[in-house]
Amino acid sequence: AQTVTQSQPEMSVQEAETVTLSCTYDTSESDYYLFWYKQPPSRQMILVIRQEAYKQQNATENRFSVNFQKAAKSFSLKISDSQLGDAAMYFCAYRSAGTGNQFYFGTGTSLTVIP
Amino acid sequence: ETGVTQSPTHLIKTRGQQVTLRCSSQSGHNTVSWYQQALGQGPQFIFQYYREEENGRGNFPPRFSGLQFPNYSSELNVNALELDDSALYLCASSTRLAGGPTDTQYFGPGTRLTVL
Repeated sequence: AQTVTQSQPEMSVQEAETVTLSCTYDTSESDYYLFWYKQPPSRQMILVIRQEAYKQQNATENRFSVNFQKAAKSFSLKISDSQLGDAAMYFCAYRSAGTGNQFYFGTGTSLTVIP
Repeated sequence: ETGVTQSPTHLIKTRGQQVTLRCSSQSGHNTVSWYQQALGQGPQFIFQYYREEENGRGNFPPRFSGLQFPNYSSELNVNALELDDSALYLCASSTRLAGGPTDTQYFGPGTRLTVL
């Protein structure tokens, strides 16, 4: 089974600064999808960004971007110009591009934004 | 807001009881997945329903079962509740084309189950 590892249980960032959250994964597949989800204290999981493994270009969504290193099996999330509303748990997730239906999640990183 | 709704919000049960959790998927989505999220952990896949049939299951015992209805809403049933079943149960809806993989999942707010 695939595994997803988030080695930073907690991170903090000053408002307006940049922070990077780390994620590594283990797979023998060549084609798959990677995701970052945000779970605020209200607990509804929200999709932040999505990356297809076959695309070399890193995905970007406004202030959120990823650094996808396929050979290293690394998928980090960079949040620029951090805002108070960015404070949440962030989960990295993996899904096979084949017929697999299961999403594999990491254990999450709790991000605090300091005013 | 994702358009995925779950009920109830909170639930307290005692060991040995049975519980049913409900999920309404986002409009246009035909697939529902259920996850268990223990405190301080990431979501763990329970199973997925597509076209009213179970289509993929994680490492959960048979006392976890489900249903999907023609309108794509879904239920998660847990029998013989154990203390370790206490968790946040998340439902996620998505679109799956025939024979293809599941697209991006959109989550509901979850049901907090406490087993005493």
